[in-house]
Amino acid sequence: DSGVTQTPKHLITATGQRVTLRCSPRSGDLSVYWYQQSLDQGLQFLIQYYNGEERAKGNILERFSAQQFPDLHSELNLSSLELGDSALYFCASSPGRAPSGNTIYFGEGSWLTVV
Amino acid sequence: GIQVEQSPPDLILQEGANSTLRCNFSDSVNNLQWFHQNPWGQLINLFYIPSGTKQNGRLSATTVATERYSLLYISSSQTTDSGVYFCAVDQIQGAQKLVFGQGTRLTINP
Repeated sequence: DSGVTQTPKHLITATGQRVTLRCSPRSGDLSVYWYQQSLDQGLQFLIQYYNGEERAKGNILERFSAQQFPDLHSELNLSSLELGDSALYFCASSPGRAPSGNTIYFGEGSWLTVV
Repeated sequence: GIQVEQSPPDLILQEGANSTLRCNFSDSVNNLQWFHQNPWGQLINLFYIPSGTKQNGRLSATTVATERYSLLYISSSQTTDSGVYFCAVDQIQGAQKLVFGQGTRLTINP
């Protein structure tokens, strides 16, 4: 158990719909990272928050958004879903503001299937 | 951005065999981690090893930062070692994020 909690574990939804994925970081960790793992793209960095503020942005689509709340949990919102958004979405956390010098721990992921 | 290449892409072994997985990266890094993704999709931390050598049971890892590569050794393989092994790095200069290699798929047959 990494200490990073993600919900839901599995989600099936229709094209055009909107979903929210939730992440609670490890106790004491201030950074939250979101990654997408698809069969054709591998593990891709989406976005990072540190202590409530956006810190780094990766290959995140405009239809996707995220935020980190004062209690440090984070949500990833995916809207206008397309078949290609089907993937495993990971949340990860670390203590510091950057990956350097920190071990980053991943949650168990949220499996999203868009039908 | 930084490039991360893992080899071999696929490896099939019998239980009890030893294996070496390699990770090459194209630039200096602050962070290098090895992960095991099991058949259920979980990403499990194996090592945080931006340089030097570490051992944990049957697994060990070595990173030679000056030559930009890391090796993961698995000895006396067990069927539970099956899965995909990922190397991920954080580049010193550039966007601060972990960049993953494409992984090595390891299959251990009984």
